Amino acid sequence: GENVEQHPSTLSVQEGDSAVIKCTYSDSASNYFPWYKQELGKRPQLIIDIRSNVGEKKDQRIAVTLNKTAKHFSLHITETQPEDSAVYFCAASINSGYALNFGKGTSLLVTP
Amino acid sequence: NAGVTQTPKFRVLKTGQSMTLLCAQDMNHEYMYWYRQDPGMGLRLIHYSVGEGTTAKGEVPDGYNVSRLKKQNFLLGLESAAPSQTSVYFCASSSILDRGAFFGPGTRLTVL
Repeated sequence: GENVEQHPSTLSVQEGDSAVIKCTYSDSASNYFPWYKQELGKRPQLIIDIRSNVGEKKDQRIAVTLNKTAKHFSLHITETQPEDSAVYFCAASINSGYALNFGKGTSLLVTP
Repeated sequence: NAGVTQTPKFRVLKTGQSMTLLCAQDMNHEYMYWYRQDPGMGLRLIHYSVGEGTTAKGEVPDGYNVSRLKKQNFLLGLESAAPSQTSVYFCASSSILDRGAFFGPGTRLTVL
């Protein structure tokens, strides 16, 4: 969606390295920020999300940070593995509702 | 528990033909969405529904209509298909409590 910008569009890292994907949003009423992973030919799957009252959330090798003042949030993947290779999408709620605007995606390639 | 299902999986239409895509969810979710995915464009919201009998326009609603007569079903209609509607269509649903959207497997539509 036009209100969510995502960078970079492609990212290549070596196995074991960290990967960071960044997103910015424009709607100051947005209060929910999920991240999705989509493997080739498959449906997007929710991997982690964060709400506006939290600055950081971690789940094993994946973490998300949110800076509401600057209107940006980031996905951090540590100790990357080849199976992390996929397209990752960030999203932000439209106003404070339940529908989502998505970024255009980041194609992550983890090379052994 | 099938989650979110979509019918059909693939379809080829000629310009001007009409069709209906069916989405069904068995998770008793209140909210349902239709997105289209085009290369390099991410996921764009077409229409969404916050409850049975209610629908709202998303980012790219032109050329599409929707209906939600039953809580578990969300239909997307194309009255007069155009080549610009060639895309992969994803349906998704979410609950009030857990905002993460669950996606269906997608419908690949080609309009010739």
